[in-house]
Amino acid sequence: DVKVTQSSRYLVKRTGEKVFLECVQDMDHENMFWYRQDPGLGLRLIYFSYDVKMKEKGDIPEGYSVSREKKERFSLILESASTNQTSMYLCASSFVRLNPYEQYFGPGTRLTVT
Amino acid sequence: RKEVEQDPGPFNVPEGATVAFNCTYSNSASQSFFWYRQDCRKEPKLLMSVYSSGNEDGRFTAQLNRASQYISLLIRDSKLSDSATYLCVVRRGGTGGFKTIFGAGTRLFVKA
Repeated sequence: DVKVTQSSRYLVKRTGEKVFLECVQDMDHENMFWYRQDPGLGLRLIYFSYDVKMKEKGDIPEGYSVSREKKERFSLILESASTNQTSMYLCASSFVRLNPYEQYFGPGTRLTVT
Repeated sequence: RKEVEQDPGPFNVPEGATVAFNCTYSNSASQSFFWYRQDCRKEPKLLMSVYSSGNEDGRFTAQLNRASQYISLLIRDSKLSDSATYLCVVRRGGTGGFKTIFGAGTRLFVKA
């Protein structure tokens, strides 16, 4: 069974703290993604990676960085958390070529920055 | 203007009703289309792909109209368990490779 796991379901951090969100997939997928989901805005892509040590900026990369040292693991880093980064963070993974194309999501991390 | 637009709802319908959602997309280069379902406090999951000829999966029917750039999802004989948010998803090519764009979702509540 397909599985994407995220390190925390709920996280509360203070402004200025460094925050690490981790995502692990067990499907040997090449692609991995980090989104944030906010009411009325839908899922917005922060960063994605199509291979180990490769990363590409998504639509809203400012204030975030990522790391992919192993194929199964993709980390999202908030260098200095701010209150406007309070959101639901969703990790996803996919094969490069699959018909129909499908992204598999983790359960999400609800981050609150106070 | 968002590239993928959906009516946020909520749609409140009784059990057994038929309900339809529409979604419009603005980029004519869009190539693949999907509906995802997201239950409350859960992750999105693929419900069905949308093909040009239209396709059906049990009580669910998806249609694509490329000329008008919209896709639709029809749910017949609604069940309580259909209550969820339905996300319209569009995939297209671009200079940086393929891109997947998610709509903000339409909320459905099915009442007993």
